[in-house]
Order: sequence, then structure tokens, then C-alpha cells
Amino acid sequence: GAVVSQHPSRVICKSGTSVKIECRSLDFQATTMFWYRQFPKQSLMLMATSNEGSKATYEQGVEKDKFLINHASLTLSTLTVTSAHPEDSSFYICSARSRNSGNTIYFGEGSWLTVV
Amino acid sequence: GQNIDQPTEMTATEGAIVQINCTYQTSGFNGLFWYQQHAGEAPTFLSYNVLDGLEEKGRFSSFLSRSKGYSYLLLKELQMKDSASYLCAVREGSGNTGKLIFGQGTTLQVKP
Repeated sequence: GAVVSQHPSRVICKSGTSVKIECRSLDFQATTMFWYRQFPKQSLMLMATSNEGSKATYEQGVEKDKFLINHASLTLSTLTVTSAHPEDSSFYICSARSRNSGNTIYFGEGSWLTVV
Repeated sequence: GQNIDQPTEMTATEGAIVQINCTYQTSGFNGLFWYQQHAGEAPTFLSYNVLDGLEEKGRFSSFLSRSKGYSYLLLKELQMKDSASYLCAVREGSGNTGKLIFGQGTTLQVKP
């Protein structure tokens, strides 16, 4: 089946620094990618929808200047957490939809971010 | 707006059957998904319903009633490995371009 790869799987960064998380579709072209955040024992909260070649659409309450999303190609989307704070520590998951996959959305493995 | 409700926790016995309910109210409906998520891992796709009725896939079945805004996931012959969180997600928008909105998830504990 289709594979979506996220990198890094775990990252620790200092408060005030920025960290970039990559989401790649390995064997298909992802016209749309979604970024979710999940706090412990909570569900996935959609942060933004990313379409290749256009600006991301952010959900209400998500700061677009803090969570920078770039979908520069059909196989890569990146999420950059800028000026990270400890409260940004969370599990970040991307998902991708292929132009040919119909109803199937593929999830990445997720990235654990810890801000110290 | 959107509102997706699931029970927070459920407990069942190995070998038994469990039904996890999901009710939803969304501004636009274009399909309902069920995912399984083990702690610390990404969700795994289980099922998809867009028309009313029952979809069966092995030990897992999912039902949808669009008029009632209601779905359930049925797990048969429960195994210990089925202990996980089960997420109900609704797709909004038209065609295949809509976004998935997740419910809070139901943590299922299977006991011997």
C-alpha cells in the first residue's frame, strides 16, 4: 500500500527555537496533505490543510505564523514550528491523499516534539 | 460547525462483541471513517461508509445512518490486541477533497 513517511519521528528542541517536520509520500503524488496535532489521551486535531502549490488553509485557532506549512511539491509537505514553547510539545501527524486514491487517506508515522 | 461524539472509554471481554457508537453533526457530510490507534502510533484505517447500511470487513463492521447522523463500529471475536483507541472521523466537503474531522476517540480495553 501507499506509504507516507514523516521525519523526524522524535525531536527535542530548546524553547525559542524552530523545528521542521517533513511529510513525504513515497510512492504516490499527494495533492492534499493534512497536518494534525494530538495531545496525550486526546484525539487528532486538524491544524491545517495543505494543497500543492498554494497556501495552506488553517483551522480556527491555529496560528499560521507560528505553524508554517509548505507544500512545495507533490510528494513533500513541511510543518515548521517557530519559536517553540513547551506547550507546543505534542504528537504531530500528517496525512496525505493521492489524486488517484479516491477515498483513502494515508497517515504518516507521526512525530513526537518535546520542547524543553 | 461540527460535533462528533463517541464514548470516552469501553471495556469488553476477550472473545466477545463490542459496539462503539458515534454520532455526528456537521455542516457538510461526505463519508465517515473509522480508525484504530494504538498509543504512540499513527491511526490505522479500518472502514469507510458513505451510504446507509453495513460494511463488513472480517471481524470489523461499520454501520451508517445518514438521516440519524449515527454510525457504529462493531468488533467481533475480540482479541487482546484490539485494545486501542478507536476514532470516528467525518469528511466534510464535496468529492474527495474534504478534510477529516475526528471525534475524541474511544479507548477500548479488552480483558481476558
